[in-house]
Amino acid sequence: NAGVMQNPRHLVRRRGQEARLRCSPMKGHSHVYWYRQLPEEGLKFMVYLQKENIIDESGMPKERFSAEFPKEGPSILRIQQVVRGDSAAYFCASSSSGTGGNEQFFGPGTRLTVL
Amino acid sequence: LAKTTQPISMDSYEGQEVNITCSHNNIATNDYITWYQQFPSQGPRFIIQGYKTKVTNEVASLFIPADRKSSTLSLPRVSLSDTAVYYCLVDFNSGGYQKVTFGTGTKLQVIP
Repeated sequence: NAGVMQNPRHLVRRRGQEARLRCSPMKGHSHVYWYRQLPEEGLKFMVYLQKENIIDESGMPKERFSAEFPKEGPSILRIQQVVRGDSAAYFCASSSSGTGGNEQFFGPGTRLTVL
Repeated sequence: LAKTTQPISMDSYEGQEVNITCSHNNIATNDYITWYQQFPSQGPRFIIQGYKTKVTNEVASLFIPADRKSSTLSLPRVSLSDTAVYYCLVDFNSGGYQKVTFGTGTKLQVIP
């Protein structure tokens, strides 16, 4: 059973370009979470999605950031017009349920570098 | 919001038992306590989870007192490969689903 997959593992973008990060949850998981981690800091919650629905996007900047989890295919975190401050590691996690006590399984992350 | 507080860093010699305590004074009735481990350049990995009293698995033990306002992760006989950041999380009910927040974690350095 493959774990959570993220690609690309490393992404380099110039300021103003778009970054598109993909996350394939574990088989059977319909709940996806995105986190951002700056160097030497903890993970910051960005958004929680179920299939085709955004449940909580309270941690995601209102501008330039968007997320989706379509019926078919991976979840996508999209950052438009990237700036240097967007450089970070972005982790995706999935779980089988959104209720209490359910473990989140994390992917290896995508390291975004904005030049 | 059940915020957690844990030491920023700890050092331990190989072979010793390590106890990392986390305080979560505002924990609610439905909240679980979960610990994750993160190595550099990797995603966090689940270690253990509990609700009350003591939980033990092949990796660690988790001690939770009756008031549940704190918890202690116990790692028996650590090795160099246990050097990592350890996060204590409390998931809390937010609009009908469980939401977790990560703090800054405890950076454990195991010394030979």
